[in-house]
Amino acid sequence: DQQVKQNSPSLSVQEGRISILNCDYTNSMFDYFLWYKKYPAEGPTFLISISSIKDKNEDGRFTVFLNKSAKHLSLHIVPSQPGDSAVYFCAASPLTISNFGNEKLTFGTGTRLTIIP
Amino acid sequence: KAGVTQTPRYLIKTRGQQVTLSCSPISGHRSVSWYQQTPGQGLQFLFEYFSETQRNKGNFPGRFSGRQFSNSRSEMNVSTLELGDSALYLCASSLGFPRGNTEAFFGQGTRLTVV
Repeated sequence: DQQVKQNSPSLSVQEGRISILNCDYTNSMFDYFLWYKKYPAEGPTFLISISSIKDKNEDGRFTVFLNKSAKHLSLHIVPSQPGDSAVYFCAASPLTISNFGNEKLTFGTGTRLTIIP
Repeated sequence: KAGVTQTPRYLIKTRGQQVTLSCSPISGHRSVSWYQQTPGQGLQFLFEYFSETQRNKGNFPGRFSGRQFSNSRSEMNVSTLELGDSALYLCASSLGFPRGNTEAFFGQGTRLTVV
C-alpha cells in the first residue's frame, strides 16, 4: 500500500522554465512533508519541507505547496537549471504524540527530472 | 563538519550469508534511520534508533536488525541473505528532536548485491 505516491516517474522541462513535481498521500496522519533530491551514486539531499499548518514554503528557486484537503503537495522549481536534473523524492512524516522528531519518513517512488538545455 | 559516513560502499554476498553495514552519523546527531532503496519501490523505512533505543520500525522481516552505540554510530545486520535483499541501503541522521526541525541527512549508501 503506497501511502505516498509520485505518479509521474519522469519529467522533462526546458531550461529556464518552471518544473512542477507532484506528490499525493493517503494517510491523514501525515503532517510534515519533505522533498529530497538524489543524484546517482549519492544519498538523497534535503531540499525543502513544509508543516501541515502552512500551505506554502519558499526557499530560493524552490517552493512547496500543500493542499491538505486534496492530500496533495507539489514542488515548483523556477527557473529550472541543468543542475536540477536528478530524481526527486517526496516524503511524509506522521504526527507523533511524543513530539519527537520526524524520522519515520515514508517516501514516494521518485520522479526523474531532466532539464533540457 | 563531516557528513554521514556509511561503510562499506559496495558489498557482494552469497545467498544464506549474513552482512553488517555501518553508519556514522553527523556529530551531535542522536537519531539514525535506515532505508532500503530498490528500483520501483523507492525508499522503504527499515528502522530508527535514538539514544541506543529502537524508536520506530518498518515492515521488514526479523532477518533485518540493527543497533546503535553510545556514540550514536549504528549498524544494521541482515541474516540469511536472499537475492531480493540486493539494494542500496541508506542511513540518515538527524538531531532527533524537537519536531519540525529535524530534516534527515543521508549518507551515500551501501550497495549490497546478493548472488
